[in-house]
Amino acid sequence: GESVGLHLPTLSVQEGDNSIINCAYSNSASDYFIWYKQESGKGPQFIIDIRSNMDKRQGQRVTVLLNKTVKHLSLQIAATQPGDSAVYFCAESHQAGTALIFGKGTTLSVSS
Amino acid sequence: ETGVTQSPTHLIKTRGQQVTLRCSSQSGHNTVSWYQQALGQGPQFIFQYYREEENGRGNFPPRFSGLQFPNYSSELNVNALELDDSALYLCASSLEAGAEAFFGQGTRLTVV
Repeated sequence: GESVGLHLPTLSVQEGDNSIINCAYSNSASDYFIWYKQESGKGPQFIIDIRSNMDKRQGQRVTVLLNKTVKHLSLQIAATQPGDSAVYFCAESHQAGTALIFGKGTTLSVSS
Repeated sequence: ETGVTQSPTHLIKTRGQQVTLRCSSQSGHNTVSWYQQALGQGPQFIFQYYREEENGRGNFPPRFSGLQFPNYSSELNVNALELDDSALYLCASSLEAGAEAFFGQGTRLTVV
């Protein structure tokens, strides 16, 4: 069935390190992928998105990589800060704005 | 802040009761989606409304129903509540069905 999963449930890094959060997806027909950050007691916050016709997209301190051959998505956070501590979800959909399929999430902990 | 507001923030209901959750979409957004997020899991798509019509539905029973009003605000109704309905209910709005979705802070529903 359709599902999006993450490789690791938790990731612990030191402040200033670069973080890489990975995600595998199973639906090769998915056209749109998004990374969300969710802090305790809050709704998911959009970080960055990428469409299937691209393999890399950069934002402020974040980069998303898409490998359609192995159906793998990753989020790279440069110079990780304590404020980056949260649960990170990848999500996929057939097109932007349609139903999102979320994975279980990776909890990122950043220590000073 | 995304401009998407949900009410109430917390709610406790008894098994068998009915509940109505409300969502005000970001100004100008005509598409609203509802998600259920169980503790420790990623959000699961319930349904989407576009210009007052249902525009897709996830794998949820008919006792989960919704409504979108002319001002594009939305309601989620759940009848015959079960203990497993305890979750964070998230609303997301977007400008069109094909655009980026912004999430509200959610309503925490506890069924006892």
